[in-house]
Amino acid sequence: LAKTTQPISMDSYEGQEVNITCSHNNIATNDYITWYQQFPSQGPRFIIQGYKTKVTNEVASLFIPADRKSSTLSLPRVSLSDTAVYYCLVAPSGGYQKVTFGTGTKLQVIP
Amino acid sequence: NAGVTQTPKFQVLKTGQSMTLQCAQDMNHEYMSWYRQDPGMGLRLIHYSVGAGITDQGEVPNGYNVSRSTTEDFPLRLLSAAPSQTSVYFCASKAQQLGNTIYFGEGSWLTVV
Repeated sequence: LAKTTQPISMDSYEGQEVNITCSHNNIATNDYITWYQQFPSQGPRFIIQGYKTKVTNEVASLFIPADRKSSTLSLPRVSLSDTAVYYCLVAPSGGYQKVTFGTGTKLQVIP
Repeated sequence: NAGVTQTPKFQVLKTGQSMTLQCAQDMNHEYMSWYRQDPGMGLRLIHYSVGAGITDQGEVPNGYNVSRSTTEDFPLRLLSAAPSQTSVYFCASKAQQLGNTIYFGEGSWLTVV
């Protein structure tokens, strides 16, 4: 499993766009990049997944450069309810490898 | 859809007691796993299973046992509870062939006194 590095914490004001970057220098050819969101006292939930370039859904966008050694989760116009821990996961799509999480990034949205 | 169901949600144990945290999923997922999360910390993998009859250790397996007799169920057993096992436990599952979308249960809060 590729090792990932994320900032431990970030602060943002309401209404701003937030970008959280994850470094994964040893990403493998068959690895996908997946982001999860965890609210206090809840299990993580899937936000978005991508392999290369850009992926967008109703919640977020995921930007992946050509070398795939990093990825950026973009949250548009955050609100207080976006305060959570965000985890970057790099692993093959499918397969039988164990899934381990890094420390995540704690995002605090400020009024 | 029930998804991943964990029981109990809250439990208080005395040091040395044993107990089992139950986990069931109704999505026919091959992969199931248990994580623990200490206050303010990330998720640490305890044990995982890639199918019925197959289990393996994660990052922090000591003090815990698992078995996988059916696709649906993956119980976690604490053999002799210790205060260091006070934590929130999350069960998770995913389909092997459908990417990395992992489904988590709601968590089980365990306090060992």
